[in-house]
Amino acid sequence: GAGVSQSPSNKVTEKGKDVELRCDPISGHTALYWYRQSLGQGLEFLIYFQGNSAPDKSGLPSDRFSAERTGGSVSTLTIQRTQQEDSAVYLCASSVQGSGANVLTFGAGSRLTVL
Amino acid sequence: GQNIDQPTEMTATEGAIVQINCTYQTSGFNGLFWYQQHAGEAPTFLSYNVLDGLEEKGRFSSFLSRSKGYSYLLLKELQMKDSASYLCAVRGGNDYKLSFGAGTTVTVRA
Repeated sequence: GAGVSQSPSNKVTEKGKDVELRCDPISGHTALYWYRQSLGQGLEFLIYFQGNSAPDKSGLPSDRFSAERTGGSVSTLTIQRTQQEDSAVYLCASSVQGSGANVLTFGAGSRLTVL
Repeated sequence: GQNIDQPTEMTATEGAIVQINCTYQTSGFNGLFWYQQHAGEAPTFLSYNVLDGLEEKGRFSSFLSRSKGYSYLLLKELQMKDSASYLCAVRGGNDYKLSFGAGTTVTVRA
């Protein structure tokens, strides 16, 4: 596609429910990132996928968070048993490769509100 | 770990110049990026520096000093549409992860 597409754009859920956030990267981009942006905070790295390599999951805040990338394209971030502190904007980005001068192109984000 | 600092807020007048500073302490260095983010929108790429010196792109310029762990973004001839958050991000030693500062909110007043 022309840009990075994320869905849903807004999600309101109750504490304890599971949520899935989807990211469709730019076609041909091998690198895919998930970040989280809380109000007034910087972007917090969550996870990185590069081609068929094992993902870097070092930024996932707890084992309630998981992500997968199917067929080297679409990625899904899953949050189980959501908590109020999970409320944030979840941003996905992709780049041609994850190195050097390669620029990350971001999607508009999925705003998650946990009541 | 990575430590990236930038001011929280800056205010300037339309037509003026504003300089946003960013200092960083990272494990290794493979480039520094500046992004612009309007409220409720995706961050968009502004500039990239990997060597010392000034990179100029129209009204926006970015400077890097690797020895000082310092960069700045210079916005000239400010316009109302430049009101946004400006994010400094560093690509560290592992070469793929971008670590972001908290962002500087710039407000342009008439």
